[in-house]
This record gives sequence, structure tokens and C-alpha cells, in this order.
Amino acid sequence: DGGITQSPKYLFRKEGQNVTLSCEQNLNHDAMYWYRQDPGQGLRLIYYSQIVNDFQKGDIAEGYSVSREKKESFPLTVTSAQKNPTAFYLCASNGGLDSNQPQHFGDGTRLSIL
Amino acid sequence: GQNIDQPTEMTATEGAIVQINCTYQTSGFNGLFWYQQHAGEAPTFLSYNVLDGLEEKGRFSSFLSRSKGYSYLLLKELQMKDSASYLCAVRGNYQLIWGAGTKLIIKP
Repeated sequence: DGGITQSPKYLFRKEGQNVTLSCEQNLNHDAMYWYRQDPGQGLRLIYYSQIVNDFQKGDIAEGYSVSREKKESFPLTVTSAQKNPTAFYLCASNGGLDSNQPQHFGDGTRLSIL
Repeated sequence: GQNIDQPTEMTATEGAIVQINCTYQTSGFNGLFWYQQHAGEAPTFLSYNVLDGLEEKGRFSSFLSRSKGYSYLLLKELQMKDSASYLCAVRGNYQLIWGAGTKLIIKP
């Protein structure tokens, strides 16, 4: 079955530590996205990529970094510069930013600070 | 600015009908999505409207009025498994803009 796999499901970060969240898709989608979800707020876009080796900042990119070396993979690194990283992180993909295809989501990673 | 408004929480009875509203003000409009999200899980796609009118899919229907910047999701014959958050998202000029979601509580 095609889908999006995020790992780990739960992640704990120590002060000053960088952590990387994995996102892999086998849907052959060109575009991939990272969102942050906080209680009582809508999904906020961190980064997105429409093609391999290219990505763009979303609304809240500060303190995060990404790479897109393969079509299937779009890992997100939460750096120590992100002072409030506790949130639910969702990865999504679809045919493109200007596509009317719905975005398909992974099961999410819940990140907490130790 | 860009804004999407949904009620924070709604309560309904099993077997009944509920309507969840969504109003939006965005730079450009290229379609509106509804997603369902159970607690701690991924959002799953329910419906997409780009033209005015009603789209029906089984127990779920979605309506759009572009002139009023308004949509609703109608859930019929409510079941306990429909307890979830319902997210409205508008495709603007450059990206998808998300509402905060409506938490729907179903009571027996």
C-alpha cells in the first residue's frame, strides 16, 4: 500500500540538541510538506519542496532545516535555535503546490523537551 | 490578512445531523478542503469544493459559496466514530491555509 511514513512516533529533545524527524513517501508525489500543529491552532507550514534538491521556507521556518536529496524522502531537523519545539509535526505530500489533489499525511511525530 | 474561522467545539447526538461552518478571507481562492482528524492521528481527506454548490459523499456533504466566503460540512446519521476534529483548509494563491479545526463530540 502506498503512503507516508513518519518516524519516530515520539521524540524527546534535550536542551541544545538537534533532532531529525524522518518522512518517507512511496506515492510518487513531487511535492512534500512539513507542518507544525499546536493545540487550538491550525496547521502551520514550516518548509515545503516541490522537486528534488529544492525547498522553500514556509511561515515558521526559523529554527528548522530540511533537505530533499531523494524524491521519496524529506527529513526535518529541529535545531537548538528553535526555542519552543514541543508540538505535533506532520509530513504531507501531493502532486504539487498548485495541484487540487488533497495532501496525504503521515501519522505524525510528537516532539517534547526533556 | 488571511483568515479562516471555524467554531472551536460542537456537540451532537448519535444518529443526528450536524453542520460545521467555515468562513474564510484569503488572497485568492483555488478550492476548499475538509479533513477529519482523530486525536493524535493524521488528518484524512474528506472533500474538496472549488465550484459553488453541494458535494455529497455518503453520510458527508460539503457546501461552498465563493461569493460569501463560506463553506459547511454536513454529517448525517452521526456515529460515535465521527468524534474527531474537522479541519477546513483553503488553497489560496500560494499555499494551503488551515483553520484551527472544530472538535466534534458525539454523545450517545
